[in-house]
Amino acid sequence: SQTIHQWPATLVQPVGSPLSLECTVEGTSNPNLYWYRQAAGRGLQLLFYSVGIGQISSEVPQNLSASRPQDRQFILSSKKLLLSDSGFYLCAWKGLVNPHNEQFFGPGTRLTVL
Amino acid sequence: GQQLNQSPQSMFIQEGEDVSMNCTSSSIFNTWLWYKQDPGEGPVLLIALYKAGELTSNGRLTAQFGITRKDSFLNISASIPSDVGIYFCAGQSPGTYKYIFGTGTRLKVLA
Repeated sequence: SQTIHQWPATLVQPVGSPLSLECTVEGTSNPNLYWYRQAAGRGLQLLFYSVGIGQISSEVPQNLSASRPQDRQFILSSKKLLLSDSGFYLCAWKGLVNPHNEQFFGPGTRLTVL
Repeated sequence: GQQLNQSPQSMFIQEGEDVSMNCTSSSIFNTWLWYKQDPGEGPVLLIALYKAGELTSNGRLTAQFGITRKDSFLNISASIPSDVGIYFCAGQSPGTYKYIFGTGTRLKVLA
């Protein structure tokens, strides 16, 4: 069966510090991978998605970047965090077998920028 | 850009009551997904829909893919306290890898 991991679970960082959040998927090959951000009490905002190693599509201009160094690894980064980067970051994956377009989420990382 | 309107935003219901919520899109989708999110956790997939008119059940949950392909409905029958949470719809347009999410329906069940 497939599983998705995110770490860390929670993170408190000062403004201006760098960021690296990691997401890994097990039990599937060549998944589509996604990063979302969720502000408190709000919906999900798509930040980045990737359909393969080294392929990144950015949805929202921002202070963040994403990378996919391996097939089942997706990393969200920032060189200098802003207060507005606080939120709940969710990684998700989707398999390639159609018509199964289900997207599955990881447990999330709660980021607080002070 | 694409918009996905989800309603109601929140609802308080008595235990045992049935619940209905819906999402409408400004464009056609080829997939509708319904999720439930508990506080501090990632959304959990409840039901996936792939065809216009499709009606799918998962226990006490039933969802339908609207025939116009621009809307979807989720019904919860005989609600129980553990149904509390935020329910999200999400749609995927043909030929894209992206999912558009609704703003969520916050459900509170009164015992």
